[in-house]
Amino acid sequence: KNEVEQSPQNLTAQEGEFITINCSYSVGISALHWLQQHPGGGIVSLFMLSSGKKKHGRLIATINIQEKHSSLHITASHPRDSAVYICAVRGSGNQFYFGTGTSLTVIP
Amino acid sequence: DAGITQSPRYKITETGRQVTLMCHQTWSHSYMFWYRQDLGHGLRLIYYSAAADITDKGEVPDGYVVSRSKTENFPLTLESATRSQTSVYFCASSENRGVYSYEQYFGPGTRLTVT
Repeated sequence: KNEVEQSPQNLTAQEGEFITINCSYSVGISALHWLQQHPGGGIVSLFMLSSGKKKHGRLIATINIQEKHSSLHITASHPRDSAVYICAVRGSGNQFYFGTGTSLTVIP
Repeated sequence: DAGITQSPRYKITETGRQVTLMCHQTWSHSYMFWYRQDLGHGLRLIYYSAAADITDKGEVPDGYVVSRSKTENFPLTLESATRSQTSVYFCASSENRGVYSYEQYFGPGTRLTVT
């Protein structure tokens, strides 16, 4: 069973397109994280959310606690946004659960 | 250098050997984590530590041992490596913000191959 499900698994977009990546989870959480893993393997934390919405540059993350769903949006996508985006949640018992990631490729 | 570092970055070892992966952070973060990343599984938590001398099991702890005698270091030992432990290992650290969760900062990863 997967406590965290992401969709789509793979996504190809043209430069400039608006992108949405979805995350659904089945456990009670204290927070949700969006991570970015670059092609070289490094992992960077993009957002940590417990409610509402956060924005950083062209990235927007939203969470709906009642529906157990989060979305990551990228506006005006650029080839440098190509990466794997990972949704992770922290459960109530200090457990962390990770989605398997969404591989995004942005074509010039 | 400031931040979180892992060593070695690449390691090849034989089945049955003991191997230790090192993780060091300079922020004095209280929490540290070890994850493994495998195709089709995403990141899975092996062990974590809330403070020096406090460790706890994650989702996949079997075959691994950790210790944390100093806040800044969190070594992960494979006591008798098996091929199924071939993976990329990530260390992470975070501050303790009490009840609410906290951002994690990841090391660059160690790619371990067990032959």
